[in-house]
Amino acid sequence: AQSVTQLDSHVSVSEGTPVLLRCNYSSSYSPSLFWYVQHPNKGLQLLLKYTSAATLVKGINGFEAEFKKSETSFHLTKPSAHMSDAAEYFCVVSDGGLHGQNFVFGPGTRLSVLP
Amino acid sequence: EPEVTQTPSHQVTQMGQEVILRCVPISNHLYFYWYRQILGQKVEFLVSFYNNEISEKSEIFDDQFSVERPDGSNFTLKIRSTKLEDSAMYFCASSEDTASTDTQYFGPGTRLTVL
Repeated sequence: AQSVTQLDSHVSVSEGTPVLLRCNYSSSYSPSLFWYVQHPNKGLQLLLKYTSAATLVKGINGFEAEFKKSETSFHLTKPSAHMSDAAEYFCVVSDGGLHGQNFVFGPGTRLSVLP
Repeated sequence: EPEVTQTPSHQVTQMGQEVILRCVPISNHLYFYWYRQILGQKVEFLVSFYNNEISEKSEIFDDQFSVERPDGSNFTLKIRSTKLEDSAMYFCASSEDTASTDTQYFGPGTRLTVL
């Protein structure tokens, strides 16, 4: 069975400093991995995804993530935080089931950006 | 950009009442999903739907739940007799395909409150 761990429930950074949101997964298959962001009272927006091509994936709004199979990790980074990045971030693994693609969500990390 | 829409944004109901949550997936998508997020908890998979039938469902999706695509555009989730523990945010999603690499696009959610 697939599972996702997000090691930090809350991360707080100052504006202009780097962001690191950690994600580790377990998967029986070659996984596809996604990061979604949820702003307050908004839906889930795709930031980026890994699908077994390049291990360093670039997404929207300056975010990127690196797939490391040896560490079973898919950490999300951004060089310089902006106030608008404050949101909840979810790491997701896709189990690619035969009868449907079921996303397994991590518990989420709330990112706060301080002025 | 096409997006998934959901109505209503907030639904309040009495315990034991039936509710229907509505979703309009992206028009060329063929696979549809419902997820829920109880306050403070993970986003959990409920059910996937393709070709007018359920592809896969989780153990949460018991006999109180049903899904339907009543016409060419809507995708609905019905809870027959709501319980207090059904209070949650319900997200609809759709995807073009069901490969593990395929992105699911999420709606903004319906917040269901059962009193």
